[in-house]
Amino acid sequence: EAGVAQSPRYKIIEKRQSVAFWCNPISGHATLYWYQQILGQGPKLLIQFQNNGVVDDSQLPKDRFSAERLKGVDSTLKIQPAKLEDSAVYLCASSQREVGTDTQYFGPGTRLTVL
Amino acid sequence: GQSLEQPSEVTAVEGAIVQINCTYQTSGFYGLSWYQQHDGGAPTFLSYNALDGLEETGRFSSFLSRSDSYGYLLLQELQMKDSASYFCAVRGGRAGGFKTIFGAGTRLFVKA
Repeated sequence: EAGVAQSPRYKIIEKRQSVAFWCNPISGHATLYWYQQILGQGPKLLIQFQNNGVVDDSQLPKDRFSAERLKGVDSTLKIQPAKLEDSAVYLCASSQREVGTDTQYFGPGTRLTVL
Repeated sequence: GQSLEQPSEVTAVEGAIVQINCTYQTSGFYGLSWYQQHDGGAPTFLSYNALDGLEETGRFSSFLSRSDSYGYLLLQELQMKDSASYFCAVRGGRAGGFKTIFGAGTRLFVKA
């Protein structure tokens, strides 16, 4: 079974530029998560989708971050414009069920550096 | 809201047993998970506790006490490859709005 795919793996941009990340979850997984992980910290949930609906986006900086999950499969996360403090690893994860003994499967992440 | 506390670092000797504690605060508790993350890698799932008690999976065990809002991860027969960061994560909220919050992580150093 293929795992969670993310691209690109690395991205370097200058502040005020825009960037987009792509995630393809494990086939059949209804729930998709985007996390931001700053070096030395735990993953911080940015947005959670159930199929193509948003379950939680309370920690998503909506003035600059946006995410969508068209057709309940792939998802993109966009930052526009980027700030220095957005430098982090952006992790995508998916799971089969929203509640119960579910497991989140993480992709390899996209390491973003904002200069 | 939801919050978790876990030690920032733990050091142990190869072959020993180590326990990583986690206390949490959340409304609408559903479960406590543990994840392992090696440097440069992605978090990988280790265990999930929804009910009180001990869950054992090979060398790893996880414990939960809902009344104490407390859990721990127990690693036995430590190996060098166990050197990694370990995160507890609490799932809480309400139906239709469950959310998982990760702790800051405990960095485990295993020495020869």
